[in-house]
Amino acid sequence: LAKTTQPISMDSYEGQEVNITCSHNNIATNDYITWYQQFPSQGPRFIIQGYKTKVTNEVASLFIPADRKSSTLSLPRVSLSDTAVYYCLVGSNAGNMLTFGGGTRLMVKP
Amino acid sequence: KAGVTQTPRYLIKTRGQQVTLSCSPISGHRSVSWYQQTPGQGLQFLFEYFSETQRNKGNFPGRFSGRQFSNSRSEMNVSTLELGDSALYLCASSLILAGSTDTQYFGPGTRLTVL
Repeated sequence: LAKTTQPISMDSYEGQEVNITCSHNNIATNDYITWYQQFPSQGPRFIIQGYKTKVTNEVASLFIPADRKSSTLSLPRVSLSDTAVYYCLVGSNAGNMLTFGGGTRLMVKP
Repeated sequence: KAGVTQTPRYLIKTRGQQVTLSCSPISGHRSVSWYQQTPGQGLQFLFEYFSETQRNKGNFPGRFSGRQFSNSRSEMNVSTLELGDSALYLCASSLILAGSTDTQYFGPGTRLTVL
């Protein structure tokens, strides 16, 4: 599974747009990019998944450049409840062994 | 549709004891994976079961074992507990294959404390 690199932490304020970038230089052709959100003492929650270009759902957008060596999770107009750890994962259909990195701890301030 | 459920939610054991944790996947999901989360090591993959067979296994000692039943429910067992086994144990289910197009859905976890 491709290794990912994300910032350890980020701070933002309510109402701002937050962009978290993940680097995955060794991404394979069959790999997809998936982002999870985790609150303390809870299981990770799926946010969004993509393969290339841009994917948008009701919660976030995922931007993937043509070379796919990085991806950016965009959270529009964050609120205090978006304070959480965000994980970027890269993997293929080869199995269910999700490899979590350290994640990005997002702190949203009032 | 009900989410992934895990029982018990909290557990306190002493060193040397054994423990069994249970996971009920989302209805229709056939794959169940287990993860251990600690402050020091983060989220680590334990093993994955599909159709009652272990398909993948992480780098954990043999004290950690699991199984899956015909209804896709899964249990994991930890024998001869050590202090370092204190962690949040998470179960995730998916339809068939996860990792890319098949999303894994996580349960709330079981918080195990070993004294």
